[in-house]
Amino acid sequence: DAGVIQSPRHEVTEMGQEVTLRCKPISGHNSLFWYRQTMMRGLELLIYFNNNVPIDDSGMPEDRFSAKMPNASFSTLKIQPSEPRDSAVYFCASSAQGPRYGYTFGSGTRLTVV
Amino acid sequence: GENVEQHPSTLSVQEGDSAVIKCTYSDSASNYFPWYKQELGKGPQLIIDIRSNVGEKKDQRIAVTLNKTAKHFSLHITETQPEDSAVYFCAASPETALIFGKGTTLSVSS
Repeated sequence: DAGVIQSPRHEVTEMGQEVTLRCKPISGHNSLFWYRQTMMRGLELLIYFNNNVPIDDSGMPEDRFSAKMPNASFSTLKIQPSEPRDSAVYFCASSAQGPRYGYTFGSGTRLTVV
Repeated sequence: GENVEQHPSTLSVQEGDSAVIKCTYSDSASNYFPWYKQELGKGPQLIIDIRSNVGEKKDQRIAVTLNKTAKHFSLHITETQPEDSAVYFCAASPETALIFGKGTTLSVSS
């Protein structure tokens, strides 16, 4: 099993540009989560999907952030327009049995907005 | 919503000593409490978890205890080794996805 796969590993972009982060969950896992990690705020839940349907997006900072899960094997997190304060490591995780079971995290995408 | 507090933020021990990290949670609906270990440049990795119908769980050198009444749970690592050095996160699961503590940086010196 290749685990949760995220791309790109690193992204440097200019303020105002659109950024798209990608995630492939573990095959057969029905829950997918996006978290953001910063030194100041730690690991923050952005959104989670169950069976491709967004269940809780209360952590999405503002309208500049959007997430989609068009099928069971792919999800995207888009930021448009990006701002320097969006700089963080973004993690995708998946779970086989919902939000109250063990998560497998990807290696993360380190986003730097200059 | 759920709030998870974790202490200490940093912990330094000598190889072979024990390490204890403590967390408290606020939402009595939470019933699942995992612990994750994060090494530099990697994503968090689940190391042990406990559910609210259990008071203690052990896996070799690590153990977790849960006090539902007081709403706190702890991670215990015995016979620490240099490879235990990492950031450790506790988490709690209310009705929605996991809410994480701010992390503890554990340093084990040989």
